[in-house]
Amino acid sequence: DIQMTQSPSSVSASVGDRVTITCRASQGISNWLAWYQQKPGKAPKLLIYAASSLQSGVPSRFSGSGSGTDFTLTISSLQPEDSATYFCQQANTFPLTFGGGTKVEIK
Amino acid sequence: EVHLVESGGGLVQPGGSLRLSCAASGFTFSGFWMHWVRQDAGKGLVWVARITGDGSGTTYAESVKGRFTISRDNAKNTLYLQMNSLRAEDTAFYYCVRDKSGSQYYIDVWGKGTTVTVSS
Repeated sequence: DIQMTQSPSSVSASVGDRVTITCRASQGISNWLAWYQQKPGKAPKLLIYAASSLQSGVPSRFSGSGSGTDFTLTISSLQPEDSATYFCQQANTFPLTFGGGTKVEIK
Repeated sequence: EVHLVESGGGLVQPGGSLRLSCAASGFTFSGFWMHWVRQDAGKGLVWVARITGDGSGTTYAESVKGRFTISRDNAKNTLYLQMNSLRAEDTAFYYCVRDKSGSQYYIDVWGKGTTVTVSS
């Protein structure tokens, strides 16, 4: 199975800050990567697919980059509503696997 | 509007069985692959199984292979997960989810989920 490792596990930042989350795959997955946002008590929501494609309706302050084994999710200007846990997921092969999550908190 | 609504969760003893259902609406159900994903108390997400649009193809996580069966009834717009020989480690919140497009394995629609607790 492809292991997905996210870092950091949590981050605290102020409104307006730039926040970067990284995800590393245990083997190359080209650009077969998605990012999800999950708020407490809610299902995850797709933000980014194919490593850098923004899902319809997602604010443009979210962006993704990377290829191969190393990927990044960036929130360019953190907003209060971005407080959530973020997960990466590899879509290269079955079994689909997720990172352990990064909790983003607002200072 | 696209909706997925799970049902059938509950408390079951180890070794028991449970069948989850997922009612889909707002889209052409038969045109999409579907998956089950679960989330445990530690909040990790784990993919469980997938099924093709016509139901002819299925794939399972090793941890549930031989115990769980994913199926669908396109006439009823419903996805199922038959869970047999349940174990304590199957305790989780189960989500019915839609594959964004065919064979790309991105999940663009999630249900609200249903809780499965395996305990004596």
